Amino acid sequence: EIVMTQSPATLSVSPGERATLSCRASQSVSSNLAWYQQKPGQAPRLLLYGASTRVTGIPARFSGSGSGTEFTFTISSLQSEDFAVYYCQQYYDWPPYTFGQGTKLEIK
Amino acid sequence: EVQLVESGGGVVRPGGSLRLSCAASRFNFDDYGMSWVRQVPGKGLEWVSGINWNGDSTGYADSVKGRFTISRDNAKNSLYLQMNSLRAEDTALYHCTRDVAGPHDYWGQGTLVTVSS
Repeated sequence: EIVMTQSPATLSVSPGERATLSCRASQSVSSNLAWYQQKPGQAPRLLLYGASTRVTGIPARFSGSGSGTEFTFTISSLQSEDFAVYYCQQYYDWPPYTFGQGTKLEIK
Repeated sequence: EVQLVESGGGVVRPGGSLRLSCAASRFNFDDYGMSWVRQVPGKGLEWVSGINWNGDSTGYADSVKGRFTISRDNAKNSLYLQMNSLRAEDTALYHCTRDVAGPHDYWGQGTLVTVSS
């Protein structure tokens, strides 16, 4: 099973600033990586797939990069609605698809 | 817009069984693979099981293998999860998801399963 490790567990950032989240895979997943956003009381929402491709309707301030085992997710200028928990997920090896443990992005 | 509505959750004793259902609408159900993903309240996401478009390929997390069975009925636009030999650690909110060659692009709001004596 591929283990996904996200860092940091919690990130405190001020509105308008940049946030950078990391996700590491225990073995290569090529570019088969997705990022999700989850707000309290809501189901997760798919933001990016293929490590860097935004889902239709997702603002350009959300971006992703990386391949193999190291991935980065960036929000270029944080808006109030962006404070949430973010998860990465590999879909290279099935079963199982595996999620990272999540990064909570909170207001500084 | 795509709709996924789960049902069938509830309180069950350890060792008991439940069958979850997911009613899908507003898309061609038999064009997509589907999955179940669970989440303990306040904790992270765990992929549980997935099935391809016609049901002839299924996969399970090790934590549920041999106890849970995923299935689908394309004529009824429905996804199912038969859960047997339930344990306390199966307590979670279970989401039905639509899959696009891996990623889960739509999620239901979930149905809560509580395993407790």
